[in-house]
Amino acid sequence: NAGVTQTPKFRVLKTGQSMTLLCAQDMNHEYMYWYRQDPGMGLRLIHYSVGEGTTAKGEVPDGYNVSRLKKQNFLLGLESAAPSQTSVYFCASSFQNYEQYFGPGTRLTVT
Amino acid sequence: AQRVTQPEKLLSVFKGAPVELKCNYSYSGSPELFWYVQYSRQRLQLLLRHISRESIKGFTADLNKGETSFHLKKPFAQEEDSAMYYCALSGTGRRALTFGSGTRLQVQP
Repeated sequence: NAGVTQTPKFRVLKTGQSMTLLCAQDMNHEYMYWYRQDPGMGLRLIHYSVGEGTTAKGEVPDGYNVSRLKKQNFLLGLESAAPSQTSVYFCASSFQNYEQYFGPGTRLTVT
Repeated sequence: AQRVTQPEKLLSVFKGAPVELKCNYSYSGSPELFWYVQYSRQRLQLLLRHISRESIKGFTADLNKGETSFHLKKPFAQEEDSAMYYCALSGTGRRALTFGSGTRLQVQP
């Protein structure tokens, strides 16, 4: 089992560019989450999904969109990247509200 | 609104000393509290959750609803305990976690 994987691991974008971060899990979990981690602020929830075809906003959703077309995948999109979106992005999945399993993270820099 | 506060950014202790990582929360209902840990170059992983009442790697945490705290304790710190520790809260009916800002624990030899 690979657990939770994230693609890519690193990315540098210019302001205004778009990109999609992919999260995949092979544990058949219903729930998936996207967080961002910034120094001194812990992890903050961007969006989450409680099942295929469903998504919901988290604490800091502005500037991001998500899709959950397949149960095992959760995509995070940035339509027009801004320097304020420079961060480390973590994906996680869980079986209902039990333990969350995290991916290795994607380090994104927007210049 | 729910909030998790970890007042210490950095806690430095010597090997063998007791450790207490503080966590306070605000939530109007019955929360579920967790401690997650991130070792260097590893992904975030669950350390313990209050409902299981387990001791993991010698760490324990007791939920004190009167003081709205969930402090993490270990009687004798080891060098391998050096890591970033996050306290997190899950509210009733809510699926995602609210994290504190984290405390870096450094255990010196």
